[in-house]
Order: sequence, then structure tokens, then C-alpha cells
Amino acid sequence: DTEVTQTPKHLVMGMTNKKSLKCEQHMGHRAMYWYKQKAKKPPELMFVYSYEKLSINESVPSRFSPECPNSSLLNLHLHALQPEDSALYLCASSQELGSSGANVLTFGAGSRLTVL
Amino acid sequence: RKEVEQDPGPFNVPEGATVAFNCTYSNSASQSFFWYRQDCRKEPKLLMSVYSSGNEDGRFTAQLNRASQYISLLIRDSKLSDSATYLCVVNVYNQGGKLIFGQGTELSVKP
Repeated sequence: DTEVTQTPKHLVMGMTNKKSLKCEQHMGHRAMYWYKQKAKKPPELMFVYSYEKLSINESVPSRFSPECPNSSLLNLHLHALQPEDSALYLCASSQELGSSGANVLTFGAGSRLTVL
Repeated sequence: RKEVEQDPGPFNVPEGATVAFNCTYSNSASQSFFWYRQDCRKEPKLLMSVYSSGNEDGRFTAQLNRASQYISLLIRDSKLSDSATYLCVVNVYNQGGKLIFGQGTELSVKP
């Protein structure tokens, strides 16, 4: 069982819909991440929160909007997505951001998104 | 040049074989190194961290060569269950703690 929980596991949405992906961890980790992964490609970093503040935004389009309500929760709000945004969205957490010994990532099982 | 480069796959090996993967990184400020394993349609999971002196975990041995800027992973006595994609991951000190993923190497162990 993964210690990072993501919901929903699968999501199908139209280009005009608004939906959210949710992620939760109870390991006391202070860094949380969103990654996007396409088939046969490595995970691609989107956002990083450290101590509930946005630390890294990899120039992600504004139709993706992250939110970190508290140290255990991370959301990704989706609006007006395109079919090419269909992918596996992975949440991850680590003890800290940037410290070499403490940034081992624990991934959630992912949310598989299909945009019609 | 990609920041983290891995051997192209797929590697198709028989059970019991020894297989080695290499990974090179371009940024000399890289600080910490990892191998992750990702099964088909699953999330990546940490296989092992890579330490300067090299480290072993059962059938898996990881080595780091800072002078040549490469990391290796050796799998001895391959099992069918080792079939997966192996991702080399590097943390670069001067990039705010961002972890850089290699493209991954696919391993298929056949009976």
C-alpha cells in the first residue's frame, strides 16, 4: 500500500469541465510535488510545494492550478484542458526539498486523466 | 545534451543473467543520486539511493563515479519480477532541490 493517496484513480473530462485531483500524505513530509507522465516517458515535474508554499513552477499552463491547503494535502485544479493533457498525474512527497539526504520521493499511485 | 542520460532500452535478458545499466549526468553540482523502478502502469518506487562508496542491496549493486559523472546499477541473477523500467534520478544542488529524471531503461527478463 502506498503512503501517498491520490484520488480519483481515473478521471474523464471534457475540455470545458472543471475538476480537481487530490493528494494526501501523513508521513510528516514538508515537500509535495505534482508530476505529469506520458506513456514511455519519465515523470515531468510540474509544481513543488515546500512548507505549504509554492517553490517551483515549471512554467506550467494556467489551466493547471495547484493548491496546498495544509501540510498533508495537495490539490491540482483543472480547467479548460486540452486532449494533449491526457496523462498520468503523479503526486509525490519528500521529507524536505533540496536537502540531499531528505528528498527521496514517495509517489502516489497516480490519477489517470483523459481529456475528451 | 540531456541533463541525465541513460542507456537506451529495451534490455531483453534470460532469467539468471547479470545486467548493468549506466546513467550519465552533465551537472557537476549534482549532489544525490537514486535508482527508481517503475512497473507498467504503476508509480515509480525507490529501488536504492546511490552512495559515493557504492552500495549493495541483495542482488542489486549501485556505483557512483563522480569524476566521470556516471552512475551504474548492476542486477545479478535476474528474476522475471525484475522486468520494469529503471529510472536514474539526480538531485542538483543549484536547482532548488529539483530531481532530474533520466528517460528510463526498460528491462524485460524472459524465462
